[in-house]
Amino acid sequence: SAVISQKPSRDICQRGTSLTIQCQVDSQVTMMFWYRQQPGQSLTLIATANQGSEATYESGFVIDKFPISRPNLTFSTLTVSNMSPEDSSIYLCSVSGGQPTNTEAFFGQGTRLTVV
Amino acid sequence: GENVEQHPSTLSVQEGDSAVIKCTYSDSASNYFPWYKQELGKRPQLIIDIRSNVGEKKDQRIAVTLNKTAKHFSLHITETQPEDSAVYFCAASKGTNAGKSTFGDGTTLTVKP
Repeated sequence: SAVISQKPSRDICQRGTSLTIQCQVDSQVTMMFWYRQQPGQSLTLIATANQGSEATYESGFVIDKFPISRPNLTFSTLTVSNMSPEDSSIYLCSVSGGQPTNTEAFFGQGTRLTVV
Repeated sequence: GENVEQHPSTLSVQEGDSAVIKCTYSDSASNYFPWYKQELGKRPQLIIDIRSNVGEKKDQRIAVTLNKTAKHFSLHITETQPEDSAVYFCAASKGTNAGKSTFGDGTTLTVKP
């Protein structure tokens, strides 16, 4: 199984500022993903973080708002830019792993963001 | 894109009873269906999964069934215990990208002692 460390675990930010969330995996993984979980709701995929190329964003999410970096196969960052209270959510990093078919998803512990 | 619907949104059972949560999906290309348990303030954890070439899978008190024709799958928990209380999410994905999943809206299961 993959062990995922996410930082920070929580933060309270002022509106209009930006926050960068880090995701570190203990092994090389091909696919890394970023999800958002709004309070009391389900998980929504923001984007796939591609190593060596631009992230692939899902409908409703744009690079200017959620820039993503993936410098190598074990690390990714998600930035939440120009934050507003509506961005208050839990942001989760996820990777595909498991043997033998690499089909299990593992999640980081999440970053609880509150925008005031 | 894929759409996953999950029912019920809340479920309350007495300890020892069974609980059933149902999901439907829209994309016939989806072939991997995991179930996650999320306790309050914690990350989602995989509890059981099923592939489209299997109709049923069981792991102790937990089982999942899949009907490809009808595009629905269900989670069955028998002999429920208070520690089963949590939010359960179903999901659907394609190929080997299990991390790229479409999630249902979740079911809050409460097991009363």
